Amino acid sequence: KAGVTQTPRYLIKTRGQQVTLSCSPISGHRSVSWYQQTPGQGLQFLFEYFSETQRNKGNFPGRFSGRQFSNSRSEMNVSTLELGDSALYLCASRRVANTDTQYFGPGTRLTVL
Amino acid sequence: AQTVTQSQPEMSVQEAETVTLSCTYDTSESNYYLFWYKQPPSRQMILVIRQEAYKQQNATENRFSVNFQKAAKSFSLKISDSQLGDTAMYFCAFPYSGNTGKLIFGQGTTLQVKP
Repeated sequence: KAGVTQTPRYLIKTRGQQVTLSCSPISGHRSVSWYQQTPGQGLQFLFEYFSETQRNKGNFPGRFSGRQFSNSRSEMNVSTLELGDSALYLCASRRVANTDTQYFGPGTRLTVL
Repeated sequence: AQTVTQSQPEMSVQEAETVTLSCTYDTSESNYYLFWYKQPPSRQMILVIRQEAYKQQNATENRFSVNFQKAAKSFSLKISDSQLGDTAMYFCAFPYSGNTGKLIFGQGTTLQVKP
């Protein structure tokens, strides 16, 4: 069974631009969560989507948004990029239940210049 | 507040030896799950082991085992017969309000296995 995939793997943007990251979950997994990883803040939860609905949201500004499609693929969007948005963005998928284990993708490395 | 603390930022161990990574957490939940993930230099986050709080038996996966002390809210990871491929950052993670879709991570412990 294929793992979680994320595209693109690397991105370089400039301040003020917007960016869209994509995540394809493991087949059969319906929940997708997004995390931001930085050296200073560590791993922080962004949001979780299940059945095309946002279930949980972390403490991030409204510039960070996401969505999920009917095939469970998810995208996250960051508008008006700031230097501090430079990070590794990880997505993770799980089947359904609150007890299911999350499996992570390889991440998208975003650099904002 | 639910928190996860890893007090060892860096550790090193000789190949073939045993090392223990510490993790403490705080929660008012009675039934929950705990995870250890490793992140090698490739940055891919990989599940190492999972523990259900209602199980008294400590989880084991090959060379990896945990020492789960529920009353003390402690969840340490023991790596036996360390291998060079175990070099990675290790994260302890805890589901927020029991929801495994929202994990709270510790700060991480960087483990270096030396030949």
